[in-house]
Amino acid sequence: RKEVEQDPGPFNVPEGATVAFNCTYSNSASQSFFWYRQDCRKEPKLLMSVYSSGNEDGRFTAQLNRASQYISLLIRDSKLSDSATYLCVVNGNDYKLSFGAGTTVTVRA
Amino acid sequence: EPEVTQTPSHQVTQMGQEVILRCVPISNHLYFYWYRQILGQKVEFLVSFYNNEISEKSEIFDDQFSVERPDGSNFTLKIRSTKLEDSAMYFCASRPTGSSYNEQFFGPGTRLTVL
Repeated sequence: RKEVEQDPGPFNVPEGATVAFNCTYSNSASQSFFWYRQDCRKEPKLLMSVYSSGNEDGRFTAQLNRASQYISLLIRDSKLSDSATYLCVVNGNDYKLSFGAGTTVTVRA
Repeated sequence: EPEVTQTPSHQVTQMGQEVILRCVPISNHLYFYWYRQILGQKVEFLVSFYNNEISEKSEIFDDQFSVERPDGSNFTLKIRSTKLEDSAMYFCASRPTGSSYNEQFFGPGTRLTVL
């Protein structure tokens, strides 16, 4: 089983729409959870950390369900600039980050 | 805003040659990492480094790979004898001290092409 699994998409949505997607992780000992975004051929950039109680950062809302071992990201009022690949990232009681393969989102005008 | 920097942005080399990829982590960070991403695939962990020694390494990080912090600012990844399958983007990352949540910040990457 993969450490982190994501729906690859693509999610193709109009500007202003809401889009949501999940990822699941296999290691129940995972302690830290993140969403990174990656633009084509660029580095991963931290979008937000995901906390147990769920958290919001502007138009972005992240939820964590430890019992079911999944993490979600919701983007409200999508902008063209939100078009990217969103990487679900976890780490356990060690130093490395484990990445999902990414969910591609395309926002169209 | 401080950033992780990497040089070169693109390196082309012949199979069997040695390459050194360079990174300057964010200045007050003490935890350093190398990751790679083969085109079309996910980002994979290679190695973590703290207090002048390797903390953890993946199966990918075999004897052909080494890391070094030769001075107070640079962090390097050396591949001794490159193979075709080493062609990838190599990302350096660093983590702030005092962060229990392990956010890591990535450099822009070095695209390594092995011919």
